[in-house]
Amino acid sequence: DQQVKQNSPSLSVQEGRISILNCDYTNSMFDYFLWYKKYPAEGPTFLISISSIKDKNEDGRFTVFLNKSAKHLSLHIVPSQPGDSAVYFCAASANNYGQNFVFGPGTRLSVLP
Amino acid sequence: ETGVTQTPRHLVMGMTNKKSLKCEQHLGHNAMYWYKQSAKKPLELMFVYNFKEQTENNSVPSRFSPECPNSSHLFLHLHTLQPEDSALYLCASSQDSGRGASGANVLTFGAGSRLTVL
Repeated sequence: DQQVKQNSPSLSVQEGRISILNCDYTNSMFDYFLWYKKYPAEGPTFLISISSIKDKNEDGRFTVFLNKSAKHLSLHIVPSQPGDSAVYFCAASANNYGQNFVFGPGTRLSVLP
Repeated sequence: ETGVTQTPRHLVMGMTNKKSLKCEQHLGHNAMYWYKQSAKKPLELMFVYNFKEQTENNSVPSRFSPECPNSSHLFLHLHTLQPEDSALYLCASSQDSGRGASGANVLTFGAGSRLTVL
């Protein structure tokens, strides 16, 4: 059973519009969440993170929102650019998980020019 | 060279072969990891090394054997693999071994080694 879920395998958005990528988790012990972006033939690269003591973290065009009661987080990209087209992974960790980050299956974002 | 480098990028092997994947990081990090990504599945943690010592083995079959001779190098030795072991194997490193007061450690990944077992 997946502890971190990304229920949309793919998402297409027009350039300039907002992209919203969603992530749900089941383990209430998770207290730190990260988003990674992966281009083809490259490894995932860190994008943005959020601690469970916050409900929002912003970095330029990227904002992550955390709703602990719903065990849900989302990544907003605005405005979306064609270079944002990639696979986005949500990952979570907990104090009692040591160094184990639990990853979601990823959402493929396509930003159309 | 900067970042995390993995070789080979592609590997095809038979079930009776013995091969190794290599990972090298030039970031001065102290922790290194092996992850496996199978088709349409999330990344799965396989092994973690802190300061050359293995600290996690995520119930990985013994046909995968890691080796960490120093904090900059990590190997994954492969022998008598099965076709279902075909996957993308990703190496990663992070600055520190523990979570620390700042929270989880950010991983820097290599580009991966795509393994096909025939």
